[in-house]
Amino acid sequence: SQTIHQWPATLVQPVGSPLSLECTVEGTSNPNLYWYRQAAGRGLQLLFYSVGIGQISSEVPQNLSASRPQDRQFILSSKKLLLSDSGFYLCAWRPLDRAFFGQGTRLTVV
Amino acid sequence: AQKITQTQPGMFVQEKEAVTLDCTYDTSDQSYGLFWYKQPSSGEMIFLIYQGSYDEQNATEGRYSLNFQKARKSANLVISASQLGDSAMYFCAMREARGNAGNMLTFGGGTRLMVKP
Repeated sequence: SQTIHQWPATLVQPVGSPLSLECTVEGTSNPNLYWYRQAAGRGLQLLFYSVGIGQISSEVPQNLSASRPQDRQFILSSKKLLLSDSGFYLCAWRPLDRAFFGQGTRLTVV
Repeated sequence: AQKITQTQPGMFVQEKEAVTLDCTYDTSDQSYGLFWYKQPSSGEMIFLIYQGSYDEQNATEGRYSLNFQKARKSANLVISASQLGDSAMYFCAMREARGNAGNMLTFGGGTRLMVKP
């Protein structure tokens, strides 16, 4: 069966520090992968999506970047975190009629 | 422009009663899909129900049903016999094709449902 793993679950980072969040998918090949961010009490904002290795599309300009080094791996990064990067980050894999989400990473930038 | 609109930021419902959560969408595609997700306080996103644009019958999954009105571009979620465990954020989402970019999933702002005992 297909599963999606995301880590870490929580993270507290100082302003200006780097960030790396990892997402991996099992049980499928060549998945479409997505990174979303959710501010407290708000909806999900699409940050990046990838249809294959090395293929990244950005939905909004920001302090973050994404990479797809392997077929089933999607990484969200930042060189220098800002306070406004705090939020709940979700990785998703989307088969045709539903999307599977990771457990999410709650990032607090202090 | 907003693609998915959920006009109810918060709602209360009495336990055991039915409740309807509103969702309207905007797309020029002929082929698209509509989803509802539940997000409890733990943060996980739980898939509830899916409706394809070509599906003629409204989708149902247990206590959940989707009232799909294509001409009005609405996809309201109906929860029958509300339970205390239904208290959560609910998100409507739409899948659209983006050519070579594949399919995109866009979310509404969510509705917080609170079930009263």
